[in-house]
Amino acid sequence: DVQLVESGGGLVKPGGSLRLSCAASGFTFTSHRMNWVRQAPGKGLEWVSSISIGTTYIYYTDSVKGRFTISRDNAKKSLYLQMNSLTAEDTAVYYCAREGVAADYSFDYWGQGTLVTVSS
Amino acid sequence: QSVLTQPPSASGTPGQRVTISCSGSSSNIGSNTVNWYQQLPGTAPKLLIYSDNHRPSGVPERFSGSKSGTSASLAISGLQSEDATDYYCAAWDDSLHGVVFGGGTKLTVL
Repeated sequence: DVQLVESGGGLVKPGGSLRLSCAASGFTFTSHRMNWVRQAPGKGLEWVSSISIGTTYIYYTDSVKGRFTISRDNAKKSLYLQMNSLTAEDTAVYYCAREGVAADYSFDYWGQGTLVTVSS
Repeated sequence: QSVLTQPPSASGTPGQRVTISCSGSSSNIGSNTVNWYQQLPGTAPKLLIYSDNHRPSGVPERFSGSKSGTSASLAISGLQSEDATDYYCAAWDDSLHGVVFGGGTKLTVL
């Protein structure tokens, strides 16, 4: 079965850093683009970042450019999100999401999410 | 303010057919396919429709998607009580170089 398991969330002070991880299993990791999507408490979904299979193509939403870095380790079947200079607006549940074979930025599998809380 | 516009709420009675709209622009819906997600409370979103009108394995035929120009719609026929939850549309945006989501629609089954 396809599984995506996020970890690394927690409470961090404004200006601090956090690194999220997503461990993938049950599928060929090197056949899929991977993404991070977040959801602030009581709010809608917001796409954060995408990384291609070979890491050639990386995209970010404007609000995190220069602060967040997405990466992947295909040998470890893992996806990462390094988050720096965190603000209260970054407080959200962060989901790891696999792009489906249709390659149309449809996310066919999601992790359970990891909560990031930015507060003093 | 979301790039894709959805009505914040929709409603219907059991057995009825309801539609949820998603309005965008030439840089997103007008030039890329639309995907729909269902999110039950406290859980991760689930892909409901991909590439405008395709259902992933396991999604009931009651759910269907369509697109015309810069707008898309999700239709749910034979409405059931378990359909009462949140729905989101999404698409790639060529100008923003990213995925954009609608603000979400909360469906109530009366």
